[in-house]
Amino acid sequence: DSGVTQTPKHLITATGQRVTLRCSPRSGDLSVYWYQQSLDQGLQFLIQYYNGEERAKGNILERFSAQQFPDLHSELNLSSLELGDSALYFCASSVGEVRQGSYEQYFGPGTRLTVT
Amino acid sequence: AQTVTQSQPEMSVQEAETVTLSCTYDTSESDYYLFWYKQPPSRQMILVIRQEAYKQQNATENRFSVNFQKAAKSFSLKISDSQLGDAAMYFCAYKSGTYKYIFGTGTRLKVLA
Repeated sequence: DSGVTQTPKHLITATGQRVTLRCSPRSGDLSVYWYQQSLDQGLQFLIQYYNGEERAKGNILERFSAQQFPDLHSELNLSSLELGDSALYFCASSVGEVRQGSYEQYFGPGTRLTVT
Repeated sequence: AQTVTQSQPEMSVQEAETVTLSCTYDTSESDYYLFWYKQPPSRQMILVIRQEAYKQQNATENRFSVNFQKAAKSFSLKISDSQLGDAAMYFCAYKSGTYKYIFGTGTRLKVLA
């Protein structure tokens, strides 16, 4: 158990819908990262937050958005869903800033999103 | 821009034998971290080992060790005494002070009984 929790574990929804994925980082971790992993693919970095602020952006679609709340949990919002959005969405956390840790990320179990 | 390359899409090893997974990266920075992550069929991402670029000594975690060649920008993972439970996708990752982690495309390791 990495200490990172993600809910829900599985989500099935229809095209055009909107969903919210939730992540709680490990205790003490200030950085949260979101990744998308399609079937048999590598990890695609979406976005990173540190202590409530957006710090880095990857190939995140405009239909996707995220935020990190004062209690450090994060939510990833996916809207106008398409079949191609079906994937495993991982959240990871780390201590965060330069000189504050060794940077290793700890991953949650993922949310498997199926768009039908 | 930093890149991470895993040139072996798939590797096989006999149980109890040793296997080495390759990873190369490109960066102009001098201070960074490198990681190997394991993703078994459960899809959970598990940290296997990490290496700080400023350390010359290669990291070791039980049966897992790395061969870190900074000048060559190479970071290979050696798994000794391979076990059936080692079968998984292995991802190499790079991290510097720019906040973003960069992952390789992965190597699928099969362990043959």
